[in-house]
Amino acid sequence: NAGVTQTPKFRILKIGQSMTLQCTQDMNHNYMYWYRQDPGMGLKLIYYSVGAGITDKGEVPNGYNVSRSTTEDFPLRLELAAPSQTSVYFCATTLSSGNGNQPQHFGDGTRLSIL
Amino acid sequence: AQSVTQPDIHITVSEGASLELRCNYSYGATPYLFWYVQSPGQGLQLLLKYFSGDTLVQGIKGFEAEFKRSQSSFNLRKPSVHWSDAAEYFCAVGSGYALNFGKGTSLLVTP
Repeated sequence: NAGVTQTPKFRILKIGQSMTLQCTQDMNHNYMYWYRQDPGMGLKLIYYSVGAGITDKGEVPNGYNVSRSTTEDFPLRLELAAPSQTSVYFCATTLSSGNGNQPQHFGDGTRLSIL
Repeated sequence: AQSVTQPDIHITVSEGASLELRCNYSYGATPYLFWYVQSPGQGLQLLLKYFSGDTLVQGIKGFEAEFKRSQSSFNLRKPSVHWSDAAEYFCAVGSGYALNFGKGTSLLVTP
């Protein structure tokens, strides 16, 4: 039972490079989220999706893009990597949540360093 | 907007001692509250949740939390801490489509 799978687990990028962080879920959940976690700052929401074809910005969307072509996949794209994007990125899912009453299921994270 | 404050950045307890981690929320109505735990190098795992009803909720791994509306608090407790409980703990409040997380409390367990 895989749950939420994130790839890669670790990555080092050079400034200006681009990459896609992958997130796949097999729980048939409608809602998917991308967070970044910085030391001492908790988790900040980057983007979220309420279903295939529907995405919306979270608290810190600048420098990122997302797409949701299927229920299972929710990739996060960095177009021009900057040092400020060095962070740990978490993907999460929930079955449905229009009012925040559903717990979220998290992947193990992608640790990204930009040098 | 809903928000969560975890006043303690770090907490150190001895193995076998009791534990209480503090969480204060800001929300007008009855909030949906969660506690998550994050072990090093891992994602977040749900410990317990509160939606309504009994204000004392039981979770996994022997944890419990008490919702106190008058104090806007949702503190996490465990009667006897084990070394394996050393981790980062996050309180969160449901907010629309997402969760608002506190900044976390890092728990160190000493022998």
